[in-house]
Amino acid sequence: AQSVTQLDSQVPVFEEAPVELRCNYSSSVSVYLFWYVQYPNQGLQLLLKYLSGSTLVKGINGFEAEFNKSQTSFHLRKPSVHISDTAEYFCAVSGSGSGNTGKLIFGQGTTLQVKP
Amino acid sequence: ETGVTQTPRHLVMGMTNKKSLKCEQHLGHNAMYWYKQSAKKPLELMFVYNFKEQTENNSVPSRFSPECPNSSHLFLHLHTLQPEDSALYLCASSRRGGAATDTQYFGPGTRLTVL
Repeated sequence: AQSVTQLDSQVPVFEEAPVELRCNYSSSVSVYLFWYVQYPNQGLQLLLKYLSGSTLVKGINGFEAEFNKSQTSFHLRKPSVHISDTAEYFCAVSGSGSGNTGKLIFGQGTTLQVKP
Repeated sequence: ETGVTQTPRHLVMGMTNKKSLKCEQHLGHNAMYWYKQSAKKPLELMFVYNFKEQTENNSVPSRFSPECPNSSHLFLHLHTLQPEDSALYLCASSRRGGAATDTQYFGPGTRLTVL
């Protein structure tokens, strides 16, 4: 079975400061990892995903994430946040291997609050 | 219209009502999904359809009845709901069903309140 834990339910940060949103996963098979963002009153939008290759993945809006297999982590980072980054962020995992249905397992979400 | 659309955006219903949620995707995808998003809980996958065939039912109560007439449209028929069913219901689509690497594209959701 797979699971995802987002270690912080809320992260307050000042505008132009760096931010890291933490995500840990557990899985008995190889995984694919995703970060989605949900702005108020909207659906989820993909920020970035790790499938294979380089462990540092760059996404939209200046976000990046690093896959760390030994620590089973996929933390999301941005060097300088804007007010417009205020949103809910979701980490998700899907598994490789036969029998996989493409099912995404989501974490509980982290609310990023950017203050002026 | 582009992307994934959902109607209505808001719905209030009594426990004895029957209503339907509609989802339409304009992306040419072959797989569609229903998710339930409740406050302070992870998104819960409810149903998956691949080429109009249901491939996953995540132990959803029978008061939720999905319908997928074609790869572009997905419905969720609701009857005899309970107050705990109040949530945001999200529809998503992806190019291929069962492909763990594919990005899922989400609609804006229907905010459902059951009185």
